[in-house]
Amino acid sequence: AQTVTQSQPEMSVQEAETVTLSCTYDTSESNYYLFWYKQPPSRQMILVIRQEAYKQQNATENRFSVNFQKAAKSFSLKISDSQLGDTAMYFCAFRSLIYGQNFVFGPGTRLSVLP
Amino acid sequence: DTAVSQTPKYLVTQMGNDKSIKCEQNLGHDTMYWYKQDSKKFLKIMFSYNNKELIINETVPNRFSPKSPDKAHLNLHINSLELGDSAVYFCASSQDRHQEKLFFGSGTQLSVL
Repeated sequence: AQTVTQSQPEMSVQEAETVTLSCTYDTSESNYYLFWYKQPPSRQMILVIRQEAYKQQNATENRFSVNFQKAAKSFSLKISDSQLGDTAMYFCAFRSLIYGQNFVFGPGTRLSVLP
Repeated sequence: DTAVSQTPKYLVTQMGNDKSIKCEQNLGHDTMYWYKQDSKKFLKIMFSYNNKELIINETVPNRFSPKSPDKAHLNLHINSLELGDSAVYFCASSQDRHQEKLFFGSGTQLSVL
């Protein structure tokens, strides 16, 4: 079974600075998807960014980018120019392509952006 | 228009009661899910339906019964509520069971007293 680990339960960053959230996962599959979801205090789960494992190029979405290291099974999220609205729980997730399997979420990292 | 809507947003009830949470998606998706988020924010899949067919049924007490009258709706009924059922329950959908993106509802916070 796949597992997803986020080793940083809490982090903080000053507004306008850059922060990196860590995620590692364990799988024997060669193709899969990886995601970062954001959950602000409103509770809504919002997709931040996704990465297909067969793509070597790291995904980027505006201020959000990932560092995908397939051999190391590492998938970190970098937030540049942090904004107060980035304050949220961030969940790393793994999506198997095998029928019947599902998303596996990490335990989350609580990020606080400080003014 | 809300893509995935679930009601109610908050549910406070006594132990032993039976309650239901409703979920509807207007995205035309084939696959719907129920997730449970515990007090430590850990998210875990409970059920998944594809075109009204149950495809994932994790180890969940029999007191939890999902019902999918059509592919746009997936309701969750809970019998004999227990204190440990207190959590936030999220409904989600994806275009089909192979699609990578999940679209979440805003969650239902269930408090069992």
